[in-house]
Amino acid sequence: AQSVTQLDSHVSVSEGTPVLLRCNYSSSYSPSLFWYVQHPNKGLQLLLKYTSAATLVKGINGFEAEFKKSETSFHLTKPSAHMSDAAEYFCVVSDSDYKLSFGAGTTVTVRA
Amino acid sequence: SQTIHQWPATLVQPVGSPLSLECTVEGTSNPNLYWYRQAAGRGLQLLFYSVGIGQISSEVPQNLSASRPQDRQFILSSKKLLLSDSGFYLCAWSVGASGGLQETQYFGPGTRLLVL
Repeated sequence: AQSVTQLDSHVSVSEGTPVLLRCNYSSSYSPSLFWYVQHPNKGLQLLLKYTSAATLVKGINGFEAEFKKSETSFHLTKPSAHMSDAAEYFCVVSDSDYKLSFGAGTTVTVRA
Repeated sequence: SQTIHQWPATLVQPVGSPLSLECTVEGTSNPNLYWYRQAAGRGLQLLFYSVGIGQISSEVPQNLSASRPQDRQFILSSKKLLLSDSGFYLCAWSVGASGGLQETQYFGPGTRLLVL
């Protein structure tokens, strides 16, 4: 069985500074890993995914994540936060064809 | 390109009333379809998934049910709503798997349900 732990429930950054969202996973198989973003009262939008190719994955809106098997981590980063990055972010693991396991989410606030 | 629609966007229903939420996907054939619920301040919980017409798998026992009357239509229903059914309901689709490949799921805009 797989599971996901997002280490921070809330992250606050100043506009223009780096963002780091931490995620650890456990999985019995070689997993696929995803980051999704959810703006208030909206559906989830896929930011990026890792599927056993390059360990550094680049996504949309300047986000990237690095898969570290030895640390079972898949942390999400962005070098410079923008006000529009304020949202909730979910780390997700999949090691079967049909089912995803979601982390509890990290809420990001961006200060002007 | 593929698009996923959900309606209604918002719904307020009294306890004990029936429920029908609809999800449709355009631009793809034979997708896998999913219903999730997101309670306030919590992550997503998979409720049902379907790999084909008439094929429904339930993940969590509850008073909700799902049906897939057409290839790209997925309906979430209840005969009698409970207060605990309030939440944000998300439909998602993915390409049908082959050879055990992992899939990416794409989410609809969601339906906000408030049961009073």
